[in-house]
Amino acid sequence: DAGITQSPRHKVTETGTPVTLRCHQTENHRYMYWYRQDPGHGLRLIHYSYGVKDTDKGEVSDGYSVSRSKTEDFLLTLESATSSQTSVYFCAISGAKTPGQGLYEQYFGPGTRLTVT
Amino acid sequence: AQSVTQPDIHITVSEGASLELRCNYSYGATPYLFWYVQSPGQGLQLLLKYFSGDTLVQGIKGFEAEFKRSQSSFNLRKPSVHWSDAAEYFCAVGGSSNTGKLIFGQGTTLQVKP
Repeated sequence: DAGITQSPRHKVTETGTPVTLRCHQTENHRYMYWYRQDPGHGLRLIHYSYGVKDTDKGEVSDGYSVSRSKTEDFLLTLESATSSQTSVYFCAISGAKTPGQGLYEQYFGPGTRLTVT
Repeated sequence: AQSVTQPDIHITVSEGASLELRCNYSYGATPYLFWYVQSPGQGLQLLLKYFSGDTLVQGIKGFEAEFKRSQSSFNLRKPSVHWSDAAEYFCAVGGSSNTGKLIFGQGTTLQVKP
């Protein structure tokens, strides 16, 4: 398995509080992604990073921000959590070893289950 | 717009029976296609991938998939299902953005009857 960890694995928080989720990789992959998974929607991309300090929005980025100060860490922040952000969040990585096609071969972390009450 | 459709939300098959999970895509360029599997409480694991060449690709756990450009499909098959195959399966497409971004289908949940 690719060396990807996510922390915390489970979190319950109250509406309006800030929350930060961490993704850590040991694979030296350039690209990192944050997805949310909700029933009936599959996985939807929140934000992604194509290098240190280089990030861009995905399809469901409202209410989320990200930061990447080191190759190995990609942080997802909910500035003020809402109940609609209750979800399972997955981090993925791709693209270190093989440019071109390898860019699209994503490997996933174990996920973080977030509940906003 | 680019999209992936998995028409079957839920499928039940008997152990030992054959399986086919459907995936249709809408994509402007030559697609890169993937199937992932997710066991309960776990992350997604890559089953197989198609980039180019032979349209029948083999993956892990005895799965295979066939790319049919004329039908915009990439269906996943297994000749004999095991109880441990019960999971959720996701089809994904990418290839035109130079960002590595994938578009995922909604997923198909497979239940295996003893």
